[in-house]
Amino acid sequence: EAQVTQNPRYLITVTGKKLTVTCSQNMNHEYMSWYRQDPGLGLRQIYYSMNVEVTDKGDVPEGYKVSRKEKRNFPLILESPSPNQTSLYFCASSLLWSDSYEQYFGPGTRLTVT
Amino acid sequence: GQQLNQSPQSMFIQEGEDVSMNCTSSSIFNTWLWYKQDPGEGPVLLIALYKAGELTSNGRLTAQFGITRKDSFLNISASIPSDVGIYFCAGRTGGFKTIFGAGTRLFVKA
Repeated sequence: EAQVTQNPRYLITVTGKKLTVTCSQNMNHEYMSWYRQDPGLGLRQIYYSMNVEVTDKGDVPEGYKVSRKEKRNFPLILESPSPNQTSLYFCASSLLWSDSYEQYFGPGTRLTVT
Repeated sequence: GQQLNQSPQSMFIQEGEDVSMNCTSSSIFNTWLWYKQDPGEGPVLLIALYKAGELTSNGRLTAQFGITRKDSFLNISASIPSDVGIYFCAGRTGGFKTIFGAGTRLFVKA
């Protein structure tokens, strides 16, 4: 089954404790992206990647890091989480060159930073 | 940065009614996308628009890419209870950035 998986689905952590949210897709997609969703603000793009070792900032990259060492994986790293990073996070993937820009979204990771 | 203004923020309608929502921006986009998000899930693409003036349908849904490339609308005809959810517009730039609107929350009363 074609899918995007994220882990963990729920995470409660404390300020300053480094964490990683994993994202993996099994569709051989070149393009992967991370979003955060906050009430009233919709989804805001954090980082995106157009292929292995190619990443770029989205609209809200501050406080986040990403890496793309393999095509299927695109982890999101919070080196020193702060309470304002409490949010619902989505990973998404799509083909890069296609007639369709359908992004497949993962199920989301709800992060709480206390 | 680039922003999309999506309206209305929420809608309460009766089953069977038609619905219209729209997005506007001061920026030009190459692609307009409409997504639906059900509770506890990620967004799912409904319609993608690639050319200015394009009008595309998907069942009871119809969306249009504005002539100026700065706006788009989505219509849902004859709404049903399973249409409930949050609808997002999104604009995609030539540089592969995707900007989302804040969403329209739709409530349908049976």
